[in-house]
Amino acid sequence: RKEVEQDPGPFNVPEGATVAFNCTYSNSASQSFFWYRQDCRKEPKLLMSVYSSGNEDGRFTAQLNRASQYISLLIRDSKLSDSATYLCAVKPYSGGYQKVTFGTGTKLQVIP
Amino acid sequence: SQTIHQWPATLVQPVGSPLSLECTVEGTSNPNLYWYRQAAGRGLQLLFYSVGIGQISSEVPQNLSASRPQDRQFILSSKKLLLSDSGFYLCAWSQGAGETQYFGPGTRLLVL
Repeated sequence: RKEVEQDPGPFNVPEGATVAFNCTYSNSASQSFFWYRQDCRKEPKLLMSVYSSGNEDGRFTAQLNRASQYISLLIRDSKLSDSATYLCAVKPYSGGYQKVTFGTGTKLQVIP
Repeated sequence: SQTIHQWPATLVQPVGSPLSLECTVEGTSNPNLYWYRQAAGRGLQLLFYSVGIGQISSEVPQNLSASRPQDRQFILSSKKLLLSDSGFYLCAWSQGAGETQYFGPGTRLLVL
């Protein structure tokens, strides 16, 4: 089983739709979680960190489900500009240097 | 605010030629620095990380090497490039061990 897994998609959704992605992780000791957005041929950019209680930033909501070992990203009222690949990242807590493991990303295409 | 620079932006090199990619970070001190490679349609592969000047850890054995001659400078090198070295090379920094990573704009390398 991969350390971090994502459905590669693509998810093709119409403008205004709500879409959700999941990211599963295998290390139950994982403590920190992130969502990044990567546009075509660009670097990943931090979208949001994922907190235990869940967090929201405008149209974006991130949730953590420790029991089932996955994080989710919900995008409401999708915009054309949301089209991108969304990467999740997971970091264990073990003191000292902690390697972040990235998923391979889920591609989202918002259609007019 | 912190900024991260990479150069060159794109590079086309023949097989067997040397390589030197540079990354610099501004606006912070003693950052953790990382080199990743992203092959076409694939996830981020951590190549090297550094927690301080002259301190380099390798994640994947290969014909690449890294050096950190100054606090905010990270260099990725190769003596002889292989076709399989083609990819998108991303430098990232974090403040402290394992904190959120921020990526530079990347270098797209094509080895012919």
